[in-house]
Amino acid sequence: GAVVSQHPSWVICKSGTSVKIECRSLDFQATTMFWYRQFPKQSLMLMATSNEGSKATYEQGVEKDKFLINHASLTLSTLTVTSAHPEDSSFYICSVQGRTYGYTFGSGTRLTVV
Amino acid sequence: GESVGLHLPTLSVQEGDNSIINCAYSNSASDYFIWYKQESGKGPQFIIDIRSNMDKRQGQRVTVLLNKTVKHLSLQIAATQPGDSAVYFCAENIKVGGGADGLTFGKGTHLIIQP
Repeated sequence: GAVVSQHPSWVICKSGTSVKIECRSLDFQATTMFWYRQFPKQSLMLMATSNEGSKATYEQGVEKDKFLINHASLTLSTLTVTSAHPEDSSFYICSVQGRTYGYTFGSGTRLTVV
Repeated sequence: GESVGLHLPTLSVQEGDNSIINCAYSNSASDYFIWYKQESGKGPQFIIDIRSNMDKRQGQRVTVLLNKTVKHLSLQIAATQPGDSAVYFCAENIKVGGGADGLTFGKGTHLIIQP
């Protein structure tokens, strides 16, 4: 499968500020990447599909203006949480679909909004 | 929408014993299933996958069984070790090969290996 790097691994920000999370596919040119959110003791929920060179596709209930996704190259997708609030505190994880089957996940970013 | 769910939230097993984690799915169109292991504070780690045209697949110490008739998926871990302690998720995808779709995850089972 692909090798995926996610940065930062954790971040603390003040309420009202914006935070950018990076997801890099290190050995595979990914036209599509996925962003998930995971609250404590819960499962992963797909937020959006990041498409290289075009707009992201958001799942129902996910605010596209709040969670900005940019996929400007085949190896990098970014998720920006804008005007973050404490309820946005969560574990954000990106994923890359490999050449055949299989999805590889990043190590996740723990966001805490204070 | 339809979802993938798990029967047991916590499973405690003696070290060395075999464990079975179950998963029910509701979307009959699902054609690809994956089991992931997630340790605290980390991203999901691929364990094993299976396509809908198969009913069993084996890996190292792990076996996945798929019963499409009752829409049931299971993960068997043989000779469990302390390092197997983690949360295990099943996930499904219904558009493999026809486009890129994200995965739908089940609720998760916390596997605890007792020494």
